[in-house]
Amino acid sequence: GAVVSQHPSRVICKSGTSVKIECRSLDFQATTMFWYRQFPKQSLMLMATSNEGSKATYEQGVEKDKFLINHASLTLSTLTVTSAHPEDSSFYICSAQHPDTQYFGPGTRLTVL
Amino acid sequence: SQQGEEDPQALSIQEGENATMNCSYKTSINNLQWYRQNSGRGLVHLILIRSNEREKHSGRLRVTLDTSKKSSSLLITASRAADTASYFCATDATNAGKSTFGDGTTLTVKP
Repeated sequence: GAVVSQHPSRVICKSGTSVKIECRSLDFQATTMFWYRQFPKQSLMLMATSNEGSKATYEQGVEKDKFLINHASLTLSTLTVTSAHPEDSSFYICSAQHPDTQYFGPGTRLTVL
Repeated sequence: SQQGEEDPQALSIQEGENATMNCSYKTSINNLQWYRQNSGRGLVHLILIRSNEREKHSGRLRVTLDTSKKSSSLLITASRAADTASYFCATDATNAGKSTFGDGTTLTVKP
């Protein structure tokens, strides 16, 4: 089956710093990747759709200047949380489309102190 | 608002029993998918059912889709303690280009 990896799996940072999360499709190419945020005991909330070679499409209410997305290649999308604050602490999950099924990464637990 | 809504929100059963979870959605879809998520982990894809399909099987899993009622069900037969997890449905709405997740059902299977 298709495999998607995320790195890092856990990150703890100080308030005001920036954190980059990588999402890679390991055995397939993905023109479209998705970034989700999940709070404890809640569902996944789509943050943005990442398209290779073009700007990401952000969902309503998601600050594009705070959550920078770069889909530089067909196997890599990155999410950078800029000037992180404690309220940004969450579980971030990416997925890659192949061809009509989304395959999810294992998630990244971000804790902002 | 979320496209899909699952019920029940929580389900607790004994090992060996069957578990049924339901998902309702609001708009027309291309397909519907079910995922499992163990606590603090990523999502595992279980089954994809297309809008022109009514039923699919995979091992102990059976998924049905009723597009007239805009609903789907996931049946897990002969449940095991290892099936304990949260289960989400995700709909790929027509012309949306993205999936929307329901609120999930938390299943607990007691040994």
